Amino acid sequence: AQTVTQSQPEMSVQEAETVTLSCTYDTSESNYYLFWYKQPPSRQMILVIRQEAYKQQNATENRFSVNFQKAAKSFSLKISDSQLGDTAMYFCAFTGYTGTASKLTFGTGTRLQVTL
Amino acid sequence: NAGVTQTPKFQVLKTGQSMTLQCAQDMNHEYMSWYRQDPGMGLRLIHYSVGAGITDQGEVPNGYNVSRSTTEDFPLRLLSAAPSQTSVYFCASSRGLRGSYNEQFFGPGTRLTVL
Repeated sequence: AQTVTQSQPEMSVQEAETVTLSCTYDTSESNYYLFWYKQPPSRQMILVIRQEAYKQQNATENRFSVNFQKAAKSFSLKISDSQLGDTAMYFCAFTGYTGTASKLTFGTGTRLQVTL
Repeated sequence: NAGVTQTPKFQVLKTGQSMTLQCAQDMNHEYMSWYRQDPGMGLRLIHYSVGAGITDQGEVPNGYNVSRSTTEDFPLRLLSAAPSQTSVYFCASSRGLRGSYNEQFFGPGTRLTVL
């Protein structure tokens, strides 16, 4: 079974600064997908960024980028130029490449507070 | 295009009552799932479906039933509500398994309280 671990329950960053959220995972599969989801106070789950394990290049989406270390099973999220609207819970998630359904395994989340 | 919709947004039940949480999507997605979110535990998969007429259990299926008679709808039934089922419930759908198809789109959630 896959597990996803987020060891930082809460983090704080000042506006315009850079912050990195950590995620580690465990799996026996050789190919898989990793995701970061954002959950603002509205409760809506929003996909931030996706990484396919067989792709060497780290994914980027505007101010969001990941540091994917497959051998270390690490998948951290870097938010550059933090904005007040980035305040949210962030969840790391995993889904395998095999199987019959797109089933996500989530970490316990990191609450990010962006301050002035 | 409404995406994934869930009703109700809030619900309070008494122990032993039954109810159905509704989920619908208008994106013609084959894959649909139900998750529950509890404080400090992230989201956990309850049941999922890979198409009309096909359902299977996830990580925490006990106390819940699902059915999928159409591609659009995937209701979650609580048979006899218990306080341990107090949670926020999310429905999600995706187009497929590979590449960009496996992005899951989430509904707005239902906050359920069982007294």
